[in-house]
Amino acid sequence: DAGVTQSPTHLIKTRGQQVTLRCSPISGHKSVSWYQQVLGQGPQFIFQYYEKEERGRGNFPDRFSARQFPNYSSELNVNALLLGDSALYLCASSFQPGQGSSEQFFGPGTRLTVL
Amino acid sequence: AQSVTQLGSHVSVSEGALVLLRCNYSSSVPPYLFWYVQYPNQGLQLLLKYTTGATLVKGINGFEAEFKKSETSFHLTKPSAHMSDAAEYFCAVSDTVLTGGGNKLTFGTGTQLKVEL
Repeated sequence: DAGVTQSPTHLIKTRGQQVTLRCSPISGHKSVSWYQQVLGQGPQFIFQYYEKEERGRGNFPDRFSARQFPNYSSELNVNALLLGDSALYLCASSFQPGQGSSEQFFGPGTRLTVL
Repeated sequence: AQSVTQLGSHVSVSEGALVLLRCNYSSSVPPYLFWYVQYPNQGLQLLLKYTTGATLVKGINGFEAEFKKSETSFHLTKPSAHMSDAAEYFCAVSDTVLTGGGNKLTFGTGTQLKVEL
């Protein structure tokens, strides 16, 4: 079975531009979470979606938004890019959120570079 | 809020030696704890997790971790390091207190493990 897939793998943008990152969860998983991993740090939680509804949001500005589609795939949008948005963006899927013991399966990430 | 502290951003061991990566957590409720490994230019792979029950948890690739509530620790160990273990390791705690009923992982800053011949 395919794992979590993300596209694109790499992306280069300039300051002020907008970017959309995509994620497909593992088949049967209904929840998708997004994390930002800045170089040299651990991943930081951005959003979690379940059944197309936002179930949680981390401490990120409104420039960050996301949505989940009926097939449970998800998009992360970032507007007005800043240099500090350069990071590896990780998508994770799980069967159902709200269960702390539930494992989150991570995709390979999208490397975003903002120039 | 829950938090995770990983002592030692870089750890170097010889091949065949014991691996010990330290993790301490802060949590107001019984925690769910995880160790993930990240190889260069890849996502995160789960090594092991503690939810309830036995405090010594065995994971993949010969790794294990022991949950010690009195010490608020969840250190990762492997008896004999292999060159292929060189990677970055993240300890994480699961937080189920999201307003929408979801849960998120709070990660430590990671420990880079180097294995030398």
